[in-house]
Amino acid sequence: KQEVTQIPAALSVPEGENLVLNCSFTDSAIYNLQWFRQDPGKGLTSLLLIQSSQREQTSGRLNASLDKSSGRSTLYIAASQPGDSATYLCAVGGQNFVFGPGTRLSVLP
Amino acid sequence: GAVVSQHPSRVICKSGTSVKIECRSLDFQATTMFWYRQFPKQSLMLMATSNEGSKATYEQGVEKDKFLINHASLTLSTLTVTSAHPEDSSFYICSTKRAWDSNQPQHFGDGTRLSIL
Repeated sequence: KQEVTQIPAALSVPEGENLVLNCSFTDSAIYNLQWFRQDPGKGLTSLLLIQSSQREQTSGRLNASLDKSSGRSTLYIAASQPGDSATYLCAVGGQNFVFGPGTRLSVLP
Repeated sequence: GAVVSQHPSRVICKSGTSVKIECRSLDFQATTMFWYRQFPKQSLMLMATSNEGSKATYEQGVEKDKFLINHASLTLSTLTVTSAHPEDSSFYICSTKRAWDSNQPQHFGDGTRLSIL
């Protein structure tokens, strides 16, 4: 059974800092991995999708990496802004996803 | 623009009421949709996979007679919480993906916050 963990559970940084969020999964037989953002009481916004054959994906200030053999993914956020404050979820799978518990990020102005 | 539309966004009702939540795929025909539940401070848990024209597939521990799923068309799936009780209060969210391609991302609705008094 796939299990997904995320570290840290919560993170608070001053505006402008670069930061890394971590996601680990136990079963490396995945189709892809997707990073989401969730604002309080809201739905999910897809940030990046990495296929199992890829090593990384980039979108603006976001860069996600995938090391399938070690069961790890990282989400790098450059030059963080207060608007980046949200919960970040990673999900692994194929036909359906297994979600991690999320990292709650606060970027302080 | 939005790929998935979910309605209503919030429901507050009395115990014993049945509540229907709609999930519409706006951008493509979705033969498969997914229903998730999220309790406070917890992650999303898959409840069931909704298949167009056939019965839904429920995850272990999810009561199929309590959470009725209907996927009558390629763009609409509904989740009905029957005789809802306070313990059913949660955030329900649906998603779709192009089922023929496992490499496509999942797209999520904005969710429905259900509060049972």
